Amino acid sequence: AQTVTQSQPEMSVQEAETVTLSCTYDTSENNYYLFWYKQPPSRQMILVIRQEAYKQQNATENRFSVNFQKAAKSFSLKISDSQLGDTAMYFCAVPRGSNYKLTFGKGTLLTVNP
Amino acid sequence: DVKVTQSSRYLVKRTGEKVFLECVQDMDHENMFWYRQDPGLGLRLIYFSYDVKMKEKGDIPEGYSVSREKKERFSLILESASTNQTSMYLCASSLGSTVSNIQYFGAGTRLSVL
Repeated sequence: AQTVTQSQPEMSVQEAETVTLSCTYDTSENNYYLFWYKQPPSRQMILVIRQEAYKQQNATENRFSVNFQKAAKSFSLKISDSQLGDTAMYFCAVPRGSNYKLTFGKGTLLTVNP
Repeated sequence: DVKVTQSSRYLVKRTGEKVFLECVQDMDHENMFWYRQDPGLGLRLIYFSYDVKMKEKGDIPEGYSVSREKKERFSLILESASTNQTSMYLCASSLGSTVSNIQYFGAGTRLSVL
């Protein structure tokens, strides 16, 4: 069974600094994508970034980047130049089964302090 | 942009009532999902549907049923609401069965059962 572990239930960072959220997973899939989703307070969940497991190059979206270590099954999210609007719950997700479904981690609550 | 709309943001019901949570997506997505989100537990899949009238149980289907009579609409039904079903409910949709498919989420329905 797929498992996704986010070992940091809560984190905080000062505005403009860099923070890394960790995620480890276990999957039996061969070709898959990994996802980070963000859920701001009282707002809907949106995709932050995704990584194709077969690509060696780490994905980057503006201030967000991943550190993907396939052998270690680790998929961390780095947020550079943190902004107050980055305050949110962050979920790591891994596909399972028929690629329809995702297994989500329990989330990391990130607070960006002014 | 994909839009996933959940009919209610907040809902208060009595124990034993039959409750309907409605979700509509406007992007002709094949897949639709219902999740339950509880603090410290992350997102747990209740049911998902990969086509009209097709459904599959998720990880926690007990006490719930679903209906998908039209492609754009996916309903979650609590046959007899109980206090332990007080939670945030999230609907999501995705396109087809490609590896890279992204799930798009609604804003959520916070249900309180008294």
